[in-house]
Amino acid sequence: NAGVTQTPKFRVLKTGQSMTLLCAQDMNHEYMYWYRQDPGMGLRLIHYSVGEGTTAKGEVPDGYNVSRLKKQNFLLGLESAAPSQTSVYFCASSYTLRQPQHFGDGTRLSIL
Amino acid sequence: SQQGEEDPQALSIQEGENATMNCSYKTSINNLQWYRQNSGRGLVHLILIRSNEREKHSGRLRVTLDTSKKSSSLLITASRAADTASYFCATDANDYKLSFGAGTTVTVRA
Repeated sequence: NAGVTQTPKFRVLKTGQSMTLLCAQDMNHEYMYWYRQDPGMGLRLIHYSVGEGTTAKGEVPDGYNVSRLKKQNFLLGLESAAPSQTSVYFCASSYTLRQPQHFGDGTRLSIL
Repeated sequence: SQQGEEDPQALSIQEGENATMNCSYKTSINNLQWYRQNSGRGLVHLILIRSNEREKHSGRLRVTLDTSKKSSSLLITASRAADTASYFCATDANDYKLSFGAGTTVTVRA
C-alpha cells in the first residue's frame, strides 16, 4: 500500500501563476485534509472533505480552492499564487473525524 | 489559532536517556493525539488518548493526560538516534478539525 501520495514533491512558481497539488490515498478513507506547515506555527488546516463530492473550509482557506471528484483524490488549487503561500503543504486522510490521520510526505512550494 | 502548545520547543539528550515533552491546550477535548515528523517527511501518528483515559503506553512511549490541568505529556524511554524528530500534539475538540501545536524538536546524540 502506498498510503497517501502527494504530487509534485517540489515546485517553484512565480507570483500570479496557478497550479494544482494532487493528493491520492488508497485506504478507502472518507475524510481528507489539506494543511500548510510554516516554521514555528504547526499545521494549519486549509480545506477538508468528509466524502466524495463534498468540501469545506478550514482555518486558512483564502487563496485556495479544492475538489474531491473521486473518493481517493483530493486536489488543492492555487488560482493566483502569492509569496505568502510559500509553504510546505501536507495532505492527510482518515476513516472518521475522530480517527488518527495518515499524512503524505508533503509538497514544498516556493513562490517568487 | 493553535489549541495545543508543546514545551519545550527543543530538547537535546544522550542516547539511552529519557525524553519528556509537554502539551497544554485551552478547551475541552474528545481526544489528544501525538505525532512524529522526521526531517523532510510527513507526520506519523504515534498514540491517541481519549479524554476519559489518564495514561497510555505504546512500546517505549508513555502518554499521560490531565484534563483538569488541560495538559498532556509524552515520555520516550531509552531514546535512540532514530527518535530524532519533531513531535506534535494535536487536540480533537468537538469541532471539525485537529488543532496542532508548533512541536518539540528532539535531538538524540550518540
